[in-house]
Amino acid sequence: GIQVEQSPPDLILQEGANSTLRCNFSDSVNNLQWFHQNPWGQLINLFYIPSGTKQNGRLSATTVATERYSLLYISSSQTTDSGVYFCAVTGGEKLTFGTGTRLTIIP
Amino acid sequence: SQTIHQWPATLVQPVGSPLSLECTVEGTSNPNLYWYRQAAGRGLQLLFYSVGIGQISSEVPQNLSASRPQDRQFILSSKKLLLSDSGFYLCAWSSKDAGVNFYEQYFGPGTRLTVT
Repeated sequence: GIQVEQSPPDLILQEGANSTLRCNFSDSVNNLQWFHQNPWGQLINLFYIPSGTKQNGRLSATTVATERYSLLYISSSQTTDSGVYFCAVTGGEKLTFGTGTRLTIIP
Repeated sequence: SQTIHQWPATLVQPVGSPLSLECTVEGTSNPNLYWYRQAAGRGLQLLFYSVGIGQISSEVPQNLSASRPQDRQFILSSKKLLLSDSGFYLCAWSSKDAGVNFYEQYFGPGTRLTVT
Protein backbone atom coordinates (compact mmCIF):
# COMPACT_ATOMS: atom_id res chain seq x y z
CA GLY A 1 0.00 0.00 0.00
CA ILE A 2 0.87 3.66 -0.18
CA GLN A 3 3.32 4.92 2.46
CA VAL A 4 2.92 8.44 3.85
CA GLU A 5 5.62 10.24 5.82
CA GLN A 6 5.23 13.59 7.53
CA SER A 7 7.91 15.89 8.85
CA PRO A 8 8.78 17.23 11.28
CA PRO A 9 7.02 15.07 13.90
CA ASP A 10 6.96 17.93 16.39
CA LEU A 11 7.25 21.69 15.97
CA ILE A 12 7.23 24.37 18.66
CA LEU A 13 6.97 28.00 17.57
CA GLN A 14 6.34 31.43 19.00
CA GLU A 15 3.09 33.12 18.13
CA GLY A 16 3.47 35.06 14.90
CA ALA A 17 6.03 32.71 13.34
CA ASN A 18 5.63 30.95 10.01
CA SER A 19 5.90 27.19 9.48
CA THR A 20 6.13 24.62 6.71
CA LEU A 21 4.91 21.06 7.15
CA ARG A 22 5.86 18.37 4.66
CA CYS A 23 4.13 15.19 3.44
CA ASN A 24 5.88 12.62 1.25
CA PHE A 25 4.02 9.73 -0.34
CA SER A 26 5.26 6.63 -2.09
CA ASP A 27 2.94 6.26 -5.10
CA SER A 28 0.70 8.27 -7.39
CA VAL A 29 -2.52 9.42 -5.73
CA ASN A 30 -5.90 10.76 -6.81
CA ASN A 31 -6.75 12.38 -3.48
CA LEU A 32 -4.63 14.25 -0.95
CA GLN A 33 -6.15 15.94 2.07
CA TRP A 34 -4.72 18.01 4.92
CA PHE A 35 -6.49 17.92 8.29
CA HIS A 36 -6.08 19.73 11.58
CA GLN A 37 -6.99 17.74 14.68
CA ASN A 38 -7.98 20.10 17.45
CA PRO A 39 -7.52 19.40 21.19
CA TRP A 40 -10.99 17.82 21.35
CA GLY A 41 -10.08 15.32 18.65
CA GLN A 42 -12.18 16.76 15.85
CA LEU A 43 -10.59 16.36 12.41
CA ILE A 44 -11.08 19.57 10.47
CA ASN A 45 -10.69 19.54 6.70
CA LEU A 46 -8.12 22.12 5.62
CA PHE A 47 -7.45 21.32 1.98
CA TYR A 48 -8.35 18.83 -0.71
CA ILE A 49 -5.30 19.16 -2.94
CA PRO A 50 -4.24 16.23 -5.14
CA SER A 51 -2.21 18.71 -7.20
CA GLY A 52 -1.53 22.42 -7.48
CA THR A 53 -1.71 25.22 -4.94
CA LYS A 54 -4.55 26.51 -2.78
CA GLN A 55 -4.82 29.22 -0.18
CA ASN A 56 -7.30 29.81 2.61
CA GLY A 57 -6.50 32.82 4.78
CA ARG A 58 -3.21 32.28 6.62
CA LEU A 59 -2.97 28.71 5.35
CA SER A 60 -1.84 27.53 1.96
CA ALA A 61 -0.88 24.18 0.48
CA THR A 62 1.03 22.96 -2.53
CA THR A 63 1.12 19.43 -3.94
CA VAL A 64 3.67 18.40 -6.56
CA ALA A 65 2.18 15.09 -7.63
CA THR A 66 5.00 14.18 -10.05
CA GLU A 67 7.51 14.44 -7.19
CA ARG A 68 5.14 12.88 -4.62
CA TYR A 69 5.09 15.52 -1.94
CA SER A 70 2.84 18.15 -0.46
CA LEU A 71 3.59 21.17 1.71
CA LEU A 72 1.32 22.99 4.17
CA TYR A 73 2.27 26.59 5.02
CA ILE A 74 0.99 28.37 8.09
CA SER A 75 1.78 32.07 8.33
CA SER A 76 1.54 34.37 11.35
CA SER A 77 0.79 31.44 13.70
CA GLN A 78 -1.82 31.83 16.41
CA THR A 79 -2.30 29.72 19.54
CA THR A 80 -5.47 28.29 18.01
CA ASP A 81 -3.28 26.71 15.30
CA SER A 82 -1.92 24.29 17.89
CA GLY A 83 -2.79 20.65 17.39
CA VAL A 84 -1.84 17.79 15.12
CA TYR A 85 -1.76 18.19 11.34
CA PHE A 86 -2.36 15.12 9.24
CA CYS A 87 -1.78 14.46 5.59
CA ALA A 88 -3.83 11.64 4.05
CA VAL A 89 -3.71 10.19 0.55
CA THR A 90 -5.53 7.62 -1.52
CA GLY A 91 -5.11 5.86 -4.83
CA GLY A 92 -8.69 4.58 -4.52
CA GLU A 93 -11.46 5.05 -1.98
CA LYS A 94 -9.38 4.40 1.16
CA LEU A 95 -7.38 7.16 2.84
CA THR A 96 -3.93 6.35 4.22
CA PHE A 97 -2.86 8.75 6.95
CA GLY A 98 0.59 9.95 7.86
CA THR A 99 1.63 9.95 11.51
CA GLY A 100 1.11 13.68 11.79
CA THR A 101 3.01 16.80 12.85
CA ARG A 102 2.27 18.08 16.36
CA LEU A 103 2.37 21.88 16.28
CA THR A 104 2.57 23.86 19.51
CA ILE A 105 2.27 27.65 19.34
CA ILE A 106 3.59 29.47 22.40
CA PRO A 107 2.03 32.86 23.25
CA SER B 1 -25.40 20.93 4.03
CA GLN B 2 -24.14 17.57 5.20
CA THR B 3 -23.53 16.69 8.83
CA ILE B 4 -22.24 13.57 10.51
CA HIS B 5 -23.16 12.48 14.02
CA GLN B 6 -21.58 9.98 16.35
CA TRP B 7 -22.69 8.73 19.71
CA PRO B 8 -21.91 8.33 22.41
CA ALA B 9 -19.17 10.94 22.71
CA THR B 10 -17.40 9.05 25.50
CA LEU B 11 -17.78 5.54 26.83
CA VAL B 12 -16.20 3.55 29.64
CA GLN B 13 -16.80 -0.18 29.41
CA PRO B 14 -15.44 -3.20 31.32
CA VAL B 15 -13.46 -5.91 29.58
CA GLY B 16 -15.76 -8.57 28.16
CA SER B 17 -18.77 -6.29 27.75
CA PRO B 18 -20.46 -5.66 24.36
CA LEU B 19 -20.06 -2.49 22.31
CA SER B 20 -22.22 -0.57 19.90
CA LEU B 21 -21.15 2.76 18.39
CA GLU B 22 -23.40 4.55 15.97
CA CYS B 23 -22.74 6.97 13.13
CA THR B 24 -25.33 8.72 11.01
CA VAL B 25 -24.97 11.12 8.10
CA GLU B 26 -27.50 13.78 7.10
CA GLY B 27 -27.87 15.78 3.91
CA THR B 28 -26.57 13.23 1.42
CA SER B 29 -27.59 9.88 0.02
CA ASN B 30 -25.67 6.71 -0.84
CA PRO B 31 -22.42 7.87 0.78
CA ASN B 32 -19.30 5.81 1.30
CA LEU B 33 -18.89 5.29 5.06
CA TYR B 34 -15.76 4.56 7.07
CA TRP B 35 -14.73 3.60 10.62
CA TYR B 36 -11.26 4.59 11.87
CA ARG B 37 -9.48 4.09 15.17
CA GLN B 38 -6.85 6.39 16.61
CA ALA B 39 -4.61 5.25 19.45
CA ALA B 40 -2.30 7.43 21.54
CA GLY B 41 -3.24 10.64 19.73
CA ARG B 42 -1.46 9.77 16.49
CA GLY B 43 -2.12 7.83 13.31
CA LEU B 44 -5.59 6.89 12.14
CA GLN B 45 -6.14 3.27 11.16
CA LEU B 46 -8.96 2.34 8.80
CA LEU B 47 -11.06 -0.45 10.32
CA PHE B 48 -14.04 -0.83 7.98
CA TYR B 49 -15.57 0.86 4.97
CA SER B 50 -18.89 0.49 3.19
CA VAL B 51 -20.01 1.52 -0.28
CA GLY B 52 -23.67 0.60 0.29
CA ILE B 53 -26.26 -1.04 2.53
CA GLY B 54 -25.06 -4.41 3.76
CA GLN B 55 -21.68 -4.03 2.00
CA ILE B 56 -18.80 -4.04 4.49
CA SER B 57 -15.07 -4.36 3.83
CA SER B 58 -12.76 -5.12 6.74
CA GLU B 59 -9.25 -3.76 6.69
CA VAL B 60 -7.82 -5.25 9.87
CA PRO B 61 -8.71 -8.60 11.47
CA GLN B 62 -9.81 -7.87 15.01
CA ASN B 63 -12.38 -8.10 17.73
CA LEU B 64 -14.74 -5.66 16.02
CA SER B 65 -17.44 -5.84 13.36
CA ALA B 66 -19.42 -3.27 11.39
CA SER B 67 -22.87 -3.14 9.90
CA ARG B 68 -24.80 -0.76 7.64
CA PRO B 69 -28.48 -1.41 8.18
CA GLN B 70 -29.61 1.81 6.48
CA ASP B 71 -28.18 4.03 3.76
CA ARG B 72 -26.84 6.68 6.13
CA GLN B 73 -26.24 4.61 9.26
CA PHE B 74 -23.01 2.83 10.15
CA ILE B 75 -22.58 0.79 13.33
CA LEU B 76 -19.41 -0.52 14.97
CA SER B 77 -19.85 -3.46 17.34
CA SER B 78 -18.09 -5.95 19.51
CA LYS B 79 -19.42 -8.95 21.42
CA LYS B 80 -16.65 -8.87 24.03
CA LEU B 81 -14.35 -5.88 24.48
CA LEU B 82 -10.61 -6.24 25.06
CA LEU B 83 -8.32 -3.75 26.77
CA SER B 84 -6.66 -3.18 23.40
CA ASP B 85 -9.96 -1.91 21.97
CA SER B 86 -9.52 1.37 23.89
CA GLY B 87 -9.07 4.37 21.62
CA PHE B 88 -10.71 7.18 19.72
CA TYR B 89 -13.16 5.96 17.08
CA LEU B 90 -13.98 8.19 14.15
CA CYS B 91 -16.62 7.79 11.49
CA ALA B 92 -16.26 9.44 8.09
CA TRP B 93 -18.17 9.77 4.86
CA SER B 94 -17.43 10.59 1.24
CA SER B 95 -19.67 11.26 -1.72
CA LYS B 96 -20.03 9.17 -4.86
CA ASP B 97 -21.51 12.11 -6.77
CA ALA B 98 -19.79 13.12 -9.97
CA GLY B 99 -18.53 16.66 -9.87
CA VAL B 100 -17.49 16.65 -6.22
CA ASN B 101 -13.96 16.19 -4.98
CA PHE B 102 -12.97 12.62 -5.66
CA TYR B 103 -13.23 10.61 -2.41
CA GLU B 104 -12.83 13.66 -0.18
CA GLN B 105 -13.64 12.45 3.33
CA TYR B 106 -15.40 14.29 6.17
CA PHE B 107 -15.15 13.16 9.76
CA GLY B 108 -17.53 13.02 12.69
CA PRO B 109 -16.69 14.25 16.22
CA GLY B 110 -15.56 10.80 17.40
CA THR B 111 -16.21 8.48 20.34
CA ARG B 112 -13.58 8.10 23.04
CA LEU B 113 -13.72 4.51 24.32
CA THR B 114 -11.94 3.38 27.48
CA VAL B 115 -12.00 -0.32 28.30
CA THR B 116 -11.24 -1.02 31.97
